[in-house]
Amino acid sequence: QKEVEQDPGPLSVPEGAIVSLNCTYSNSAFQYFMWYRQYSRKGPELLMYTYSSGNKEDGRFTAQVDKSSKYISLFIRDSQPSDSATYLCAMSVFGGATNKLIFGTGTLLAVQP
Amino acid sequence: EAQVTQNPRYLITVTGKKLTVTCSQNMNHEYMSWYRQDPGLGLRQIYYSMNVEVTDKGDVPEGYKVSRKEKRNFPLILESPSPNQTSLYFCASMRLRGQGELLFFGPGTRLTVL
Repeated sequence: QKEVEQDPGPLSVPEGAIVSLNCTYSNSAFQYFMWYRQYSRKGPELLMYTYSSGNKEDGRFTAQVDKSSKYISLFIRDSQPSDSATYLCAMSVFGGATNKLIFGTGTLLAVQP
Repeated sequence: EAQVTQNPRYLITVTGKKLTVTCSQNMNHEYMSWYRQDPGLGLRQIYYSMNVEVTDKGDVPEGYKVSRKEKRNFPLILESPSPNQTSLYFCASMRLRGQGELLFFGPGTRLTVL
């Protein structure tokens, strides 16, 4: 079993739709949870990050972490064609005996105008 | 501007010809790392470095070498490239001071080994 599982998609939605992207993980030691957006032929860029369980909102984006279920989500409201990209979840733990940062395989999102 | 730079951006080479991909960051980050990205496999870590002169293997280190002689630079060396090393490579850096480990990526190097 992979430490981080992410549905690769592709996910196609109409403009204006609410998008839900998800990852599950198996290592309860992870402390930081991140979402990266990667446009074609570009490097991943950090979109949002959270520490511990709960929600974090930034404009149209909401990141949600449920550590008890080992499940993280990224919601995109009022999706736009410019949101079309691959979204990668990542999680990390640093310090002590464990230093690890792991990525999901990415979900390809297409927002149709 | 805070950034991670990589060179070259594109490289086509032949099997067995040694090459180096350079990586440099101007954010004084302790942590640097190399990833390769392949379709269906996502980002896989090759090597990482927690600080100067401290390097460690990631998930797919075979066929690669790294060095960290200076804080800002972390070159990736392929001593004898093979076609299975054809991939998109990313360098990344991160601050390690308990304020959230946020990884910043370079623009990528697309390597083709013939």
